[in-house]
Order: sequence, then structure tokens, then C-alpha cells
Amino acid sequence: DQQVKQNSPSLSVQEGRISILNCDYTNSMFDYFLWYKKYPAEGPTFLISISSIKDKNEDGRFTVFLNKSAKHLSLHIVPSQPGDSAVYFCAASAYSGGGADGLTFGKGTHLIIQP
Amino acid sequence: GAGVSQTPSNKVTEKGKYVELRCDPISGHTALYWYRQSLGQGPEFLIYFQGTGAADDSGLPNDRFFAVRPEGSVSTLKIQRTERGDSAVYLCASSLDGFGKNIQYFGAGTRLSVL
Repeated sequence: DQQVKQNSPSLSVQEGRISILNCDYTNSMFDYFLWYKKYPAEGPTFLISISSIKDKNEDGRFTVFLNKSAKHLSLHIVPSQPGDSAVYFCAASAYSGGGADGLTFGKGTHLIIQP
Repeated sequence: GAGVSQTPSNKVTEKGKYVELRCDPISGHTALYWYRQSLGQGPEFLIYFQGTGAADDSGLPNDRFFAVRPEGSVSTLKIQRTERGDSAVYLCASSLDGFGKNIQYFGAGTRLSVL
């Protein structure tokens, strides 16, 4: 029972265009969402996050949108650059009284930026 | 240190053997997490430490897996009687305090191969 789903295993986008990566979740207790980027043989690197009290967070070329009613979030990268080619993981966190739980990750989307 | 450090980067062992994987978190981070990433999957939560104590070990798959963090800094993940299905990349992450914005910073991982 996957609580965080990334239904696109891969996505190919032309350099300079917008990349849109999607993520759906099922657990209503999730209140904080994160995107991580991963290159081969490296650990995931934090990219951007959003709290459940917001619907948008922007950082440079990266924007994350959250639709709580649809339990859906998306990451927009514009313009896409060759260095953006990596696997992107959506992750979610639920705060409990004893502190934050471990993150629940999706399976990832492999983004390929075509020159 | 500058980031989360994990050693060894690769570990090859034989079925039935005992292994220890080490994690050195970012200095000053009180929260430490272990994850396991199998091929084609996202990281899967194993255990979370707040200081020296395991605040949540619900992700440990069975009693062959154990982790310690005796002084609230370095942590060791221990796997007894390894099985071929334990082969995966074991990731460690740390965060400032595990509360509020739960941004976790990951190490590069230890790739465990059980032959």
C-alpha cells in the first residue's frame, strides 16, 4: 500500500522547456512535503519543500504546488537545464507528538533533459 | 563535518554473516534516520533516533536488524545473519531536531551486497 505515488517512472523534456513532475499521496496525516533530487551513486539532495498550510512555494527555477483536496503535489522546473537530469523523489512527513516521523518516499521519476 | 558521512561506501558479505554500517551525521543534528533503498524503489524508512534513543523503530523489517546511537552522534546499523534479500543501499540522514520542518540531509549511502 503505497502512501506516496509517483506514477511516471521517467520523463523526457527539451532543454529550456518546463518540466512538471507529479506526486499523489493517500495519507491525510501528512503535513509536510519535500522533493529530493538524486544523481547516481550519491545520496538524495534536498531541493524544495512545502508545508500543508501553503499551496505554493518557489525557489529560483523550482516551484512546488500543493492541492490538499486532491492530495496532489507537483514540482515545476523552468527553464529546464541539462544538469537537472536526475531521479526526483517526492517525500512526505507527518508530525507526531514525539517528533517527525521518517519520510515516506515515492518510487521516483527519472527526468531526462534533452539538448 | 560538512555533510552526513557513511562508511563503508560498499560492503560485500556472504549469506549468514554479520555486518555493521556506520553513519556520522551533520554536527549539531540531534535527529538521525536510517533508510533502505532497493533497486527501482524510493528510500524506505527503518529507524529514527532523537538523541541517543530510538524514537521510532517501526520500519525495521525483523529482529536481525538493530541500530544504536550511544552518544547521540554516530550511529551504527547492525544486521545479523544476513540474507540475499538484505542487499540494498542503506542511507543515513540527519536533521536539526526532527521537529517542525523535517528537512533531512542524506549521506551517499552504503551499498550492501549479500552473496
